[in-house]
Amino acid sequence: AQKVTQAQTEISVVEKEDVTLDCVYETRDTTYYLFWYKQPPSGELVFLIRRNSFDEQNEISGRYSWNFQKSTSSFNFTITASQVVDSAVYFCALSGGNDMRFGAGTRLTVKP
Amino acid sequence: KAGVTQTPRYLIKTRGQQVTLSCSPISGHRSVSWYQQTPGQGLQFLFEYFSETQRNKGNFPGRFSGRQFSNSRSEMNVSTLELGDSALYLCASSPMLLTGGHEKLFFGSGTQLSVL
Repeated sequence: AQKVTQAQTEISVVEKEDVTLDCVYETRDTTYYLFWYKQPPSGELVFLIRRNSFDEQNEISGRYSWNFQKSTSSFNFTITASQVVDSAVYFCALSGGNDMRFGAGTRLTVKP
Repeated sequence: KAGVTQTPRYLIKTRGQQVTLSCSPISGHRSVSWYQQTPGQGLQFLFEYFSETQRNKGNFPGRFSGRQFSNSRSEMNVSTLELGDSALYLCASSPMLLTGGHEKLFFGSGTQLSVL
């Protein structure tokens, strides 16, 4: 069975701090996809990134960066110079075969 | 392009009743999947519909059912409501089959169901 663990339930930082959200996954599939979604207070999850199991290149998009390491089954997400608008719940998700699993989510609060 | 639309936004029901939630996907998207979000269990996959057929189902009792129409709009039904069914129900659409296709999802804002 697939599993996604986001051990950090809540994180609170002050604006301009860097913050890393951890995601550890378990799967027996050799081909799988990892995702990050952001859920602002409005409730609608917003897609941030998708990474397949064969692509371990790190990715940077503006203030966001992702570190994928198959050796540790981790797909961590870093926000550089956080802003108040980054406050949301962030979900890591794993898709493989016929299963889609989400982590429990990490609630990030960025204080001014 | 209009996003995923879910109606109603809020619902209050009592135990034993049944409820129907509606989801209109992004135009051209053929896959609609449903999720239950609760503080205790997080986001859990309910089922996926593609071309009017249920393609995959999560681990939920038979009281949870759904259907998809020829225009890809989908409805989810919960019968004999229980207190534990109180949750945010999210619908998501994607152009292709989700399970096995690994598409990114476009979510609606959800329907907040409260069972009293």
